[in-house]
Amino acid sequence: EIVLTQSPGTLSLSPGERATLSCRASQSVSSSYLAWYQQKPGQAPRLLIYGASSRATGIPDRFSGSGSGTDFTLTISRLEPEDFAVYYCQQYGSSSVTFGQGTKLEIK
Amino acid sequence: EVQLVESGGGLVQPGGSLRLSCAASGFTFSSYWMSWVRQAPGKGLEWVANIKQDGSEKYYVDSVKGRFTISRDNAKNSLYLQMNSLRAEDTAVYYCARDLGYFLLRGAFDIWGQGTMVTVSS
Repeated sequence: EIVLTQSPGTLSLSPGERATLSCRASQSVSSSYLAWYQQKPGQAPRLLIYGASSRATGIPDRFSGSGSGTDFTLTISRLEPEDFAVYYCQQYGSSSVTFGQGTKLEIK
Repeated sequence: EVQLVESGGGLVQPGGSLRLSCAASGFTFSSYWMSWVRQAPGKGLEWVANIKQDGSEKYYVDSVKGRFTISRDNAKNSLYLQMNSLRAEDTAVYYCARDLGYFLLRGAFDIWGQGTMVTVSS
């Protein structure tokens, strides 16, 4: 099973700042199968990025994904108030799916 | 509107059984892989199982193998999760989720239900 480790656990930033979230895999992940989600309290997760760098439908262009192999990054270029939430990376491989433990993005 | 609506959650004793349902609407259900994903209170997301469009392939996380069974009825646009031998650690919100890929497995989930809570406790 591929383990995804996200860092930092909590990120404290102000609106307008740039956020960089990391996701490291225990073994190589196909870029085609790396995704990022946003989850707000009491809500289901929302797909942001798939295929490591493709934005899902309706996702603003301030969200971008990059990376390959074992290191992936989600960047939010200029934080809006509605971006403060928990973010998860997720991979699919060998007929199995795993999620990272999440990064909480909080208002500083 | 593309929508997934789960039902069937509730309180069950350890060792008991529960069957979750997920009703799909607004899209061609039979064209997509489908999954169940759960989230224990205050914890992260955990994928539970998925099923191919025609039901011919099913995969599970190790912790539920032999206890949970995923199934679907394309005629009824419905996904199911039969949960047996339930344990306290199965307590979670259970979401059904659609795979992003149309006919192809993309390994990302673009449509989620609102979730149904399962509590395993005596």
